[in-house]
Amino acid sequence: NAGVMQNPRHLVRRRGQEARLRCSPMKGHSHVYWYRQLPEEGLKFMVYLQKENIIDESGMPKERFSAEFPKEGPSILRIQQVVRGDSAAYFCASKPGQGYNEQYFGPGTRLTVT
Amino acid sequence: AQKVTQAQTEISVVEKEDVTLDCVYETRDTTYYLFWYKQPPSGELVFLIRRNSFDEQNEISGRYSWNFQKSTSSFNFTITASQVVDSAVYFCALSEVLIKAAGNKLTFGGGTRVLVKP
Repeated sequence: NAGVMQNPRHLVRRRGQEARLRCSPMKGHSHVYWYRQLPEEGLKFMVYLQKENIIDESGMPKERFSAEFPKEGPSILRIQQVVRGDSAAYFCASKPGQGYNEQYFGPGTRLTVT
Repeated sequence: AQKVTQAQTEISVVEKEDVTLDCVYETRDTTYYLFWYKQPPSGELVFLIRRNSFDEQNEISGRYSWNFQKSTSSFNFTITASQVVDSAVYFCALSEVLIKAAGNKLTFGGGTRVLVKP
């Protein structure tokens, strides 16, 4: 059973470009979380999604950031017009469903904005 | 609002020494889960343990042990006879169990960097 997959593992973007981060949850998991780890900081919750539904986006910056988890395919975290402050590690975690508490983390995507 | 505090930002020990990582949390919920994760230099997050708020029994797993004290809102982690491979950043995290189960998001502490020298 493959774990949570994230790609790319490393992403370099110039200021103003768009970044797309992908997360494929574990097989059978229908819930996905995105967390961000800024340099030398802990992880901060961004958004929680079920398939085709955003449940909690209280941690998402109001502008330039969006997330989706379509019926088919991976969850996507999109950052438009990236700035240097977006440089961070972005982790995705998944779980089977509502009644579960343990989240399984992917290896993360390290975004560098130059 | 929930909060997790790891007061120690960095701990340096010599191999075979014991090291204890402190974690203090705040929550208004009576039902919650506590976690420890390890982040080695390679960057991934490795799950170590999950405890629920109703189970205050301490746990030992090999060289790792955890001390959950609900009265002081602490969930401390001890590595016995540390090894160089234990060098990593360790995160404590809290998850509240919301009535609507529309959350369970993790609130992480700032992490404690452990450096084990040979």
